[in-house]
Amino acid sequence: AQKITQTQPGMFVQEKEAVTLDCTYDTSDPSYGLFWYKQPSSGEMIFLIYQGSYDQQNATEGRYSLNFQKARKSANLVISASQLGDSAMYFCAMRYTGFQKLVFGTGTRLLVSP
Amino acid sequence: DTAVSQTPKYLVTQMGNDKSIKCEQNLGHDTMYWYKQDSKKFLKIMFSYNNKELIINETVPNRFSPKSPDKAHLNLHINSLELGDSAVYFCASSQASGTTSTDTQYFGPGTRLTVL
Repeated sequence: AQKITQTQPGMFVQEKEAVTLDCTYDTSDPSYGLFWYKQPSSGEMIFLIYQGSYDQQNATEGRYSLNFQKARKSANLVISASQLGDSAMYFCAMRYTGFQKLVFGTGTRLLVSP
Repeated sequence: DTAVSQTPKYLVTQMGNDKSIKCEQNLGHDTMYWYKQDSKKFLKIMFSYNNKELIINETVPNRFSPKSPDKAHLNLHINSLELGDSAVYFCASSQASGTTSTDTQYFGPGTRLTVL
């Protein structure tokens, strides 16, 4: 069964440092997409970054990058130069061929301290 | 210029009542979704519509009925509300329904439903 695992319920980082949020997935489908979303305390779900299973390069979007290791089935989110506004829940999600839905992990709560 | 909007943002109601949540997207997307986020923040798909046609209906009680009058709107009607229905309900939309970057789902602000 397709599954997303986020093993870090909470992470702490100091402002301006980099932080890695872990995500592993399980699927036998060769075609899938991996997504990261941010949910601040205000509650909305904000799309951050996408990685396709056939993409040769790791995705980057500003301070966000995705460390995609296909053989290990991991898709870790790296946030560089953390800011106070990065404090939020972060969700990893996967979408695979033929299934019109996202499967979410349980999320990681990130707290950025001054 | 809200991309995906939901109304209301908050909904407080008594057990047994019937309520509706409305969702609209102005992105021109073909596919819309309803997700439920429980008290532990876990997100799970409820329904998916593609061009007004129901594609996914997860194991959701019959008390929940989605309706899509056109591809820009997807409403959720809930009958006979129960305490366990208390959650945040998110509407989302995507251009397509595959696995590429164009299938990124964009979420509405959520509706926090509280059943007393």
